[in-house]
This record gives sequence, C-alpha cells and structure tokens, in this order.
Amino acid sequence: GAGVSQSPSNKVTEKGKDVELRCDPISGHTALYWYRQSLGQGLEFLIYFQGNSAPDKSGLPSDRFSAERTGGSVSTLTIQRTQQEDSAVYLCASSLRQENGYTFGSGTRLTVV
Amino acid sequence: GQSLEQPSEVTAVEGAIVQINCTYQTSGFYGLSWYQQHDGGAPTFLSYNGLDGLEETGRFSSFLSRSDSYGYLLLQELQMKDSASYFCAVRSGGYQKVTFGTGTKLQVIP
Repeated sequence: GAGVSQSPSNKVTEKGKDVELRCDPISGHTALYWYRQSLGQGLEFLIYFQGNSAPDKSGLPSDRFSAERTGGSVSTLTIQRTQQEDSAVYLCASSLRQENGYTFGSGTRLTVV
Repeated sequence: GQSLEQPSEVTAVEGAIVQINCTYQTSGFYGLSWYQQHDGGAPTFLSYNGLDGLEETGRFSSFLSRSDSYGYLLLQELQMKDSASYFCAVRSGGYQKVTFGTGTKLQVIP
C-alpha cells in the first residue's frame, strides 16, 4: 500500500481481556517495528522484525506481549490479560533503508478500562 | 543501553531560527535521525545523519558530531505549522533498532 496501515484506530477493552493490533507495512519494506507512546511521552521500542523473524524482542514489557509477522508483510501485536498500564498509542513503522527513515502508521489508541 | 537527552520545551518567534540539541550515549552508533510529530499525529521522518556534518533539506538542517555524541536540528524561517514535538533517534547495535529521545515540544509564537 501507499502507507503503513494500522487497525483498529481505537480500541477500548476491559481489564483482563486479550487484544490484537494489526499492522500492514508499505509493500516491499522488509523491516517492521512496533513502538508504544504514552500521553506526552517519547516512543518506547517494543519489537523489530526483519522479514518474518524478530531479532530484537528486548522491548516487550512482559510475557503478556507477543508479536508475529507473516509473509514478510502483515504483523500482529497481541496483548494478553490487558492491564490499565497497557493503555497507550501503539505505533507501527516500516522501512527499507535507515537513510530514508521510518514511515509510521497512524497508530492504535488502546484504552484499558 | 542507549540514552538520549534533548530539551523538553522550546519557544520561538515566527520567522526566527531555532536549534534543538540532542546528546546521546550508545554503543555501536550508526546514525542520528530526526522526526516531527504534531499533536494527535504520527511521527514523520525529517532527516538522517550517518556521517559528521550538516544535512540540509529546505528550511530544516541537521548536524552530527560523532566525536561529541551530539547533534542538532535547525529550523529556519519558522512558521506556525512548525509547532510540534521533535524527536531525535539513534540507530545503534547489530540490528536496525532505533531508540527515540523523549522529544522537544516546540511552540512557535506570532
């Protein structure tokens, strides 16, 4: 596609429920990243994919968080047993070369109530 | 690990020039990037410095000194639409992981 697409754009969920966030990167971009951003804060790195493999999962906050990427394209970030502290905007980005930077999606605003 | 420091807020007058500094500590440094984020929007890529020196793109320029672990973003002829948060980001390590700073909120006033 022309840009990075994320769905849903907004998600309100009850504490303890599982959620799945989806990211469609730009076609041909081999690298895909997940970040999260709390209100007024910086971007916190979660996980990086090169193709379908995740060489760096160091940012996942707990074992409730997992992510996968299939076909070198779509990625899903799954949060199990959501907690209120998981509330944030989850941003996905893709890139071809570092010199061209990341292209971010519009994010998924997750609210855990 | 990596750490980046940048001022939390900067205010500047429309038409003026503003410089946003970024200092970093990291191992295996590859490059410094800058991103702009308007309230409620996604970050957008502005510039990348892999080597020392100045990169210019229109009204925006970015500078890197690897020996000083320092860079800056220079915005000229400020416009009201430049009011946004600006993040420096460091690429380091064996993979393409990029660590973002906490951002500088720029307010442009008439």
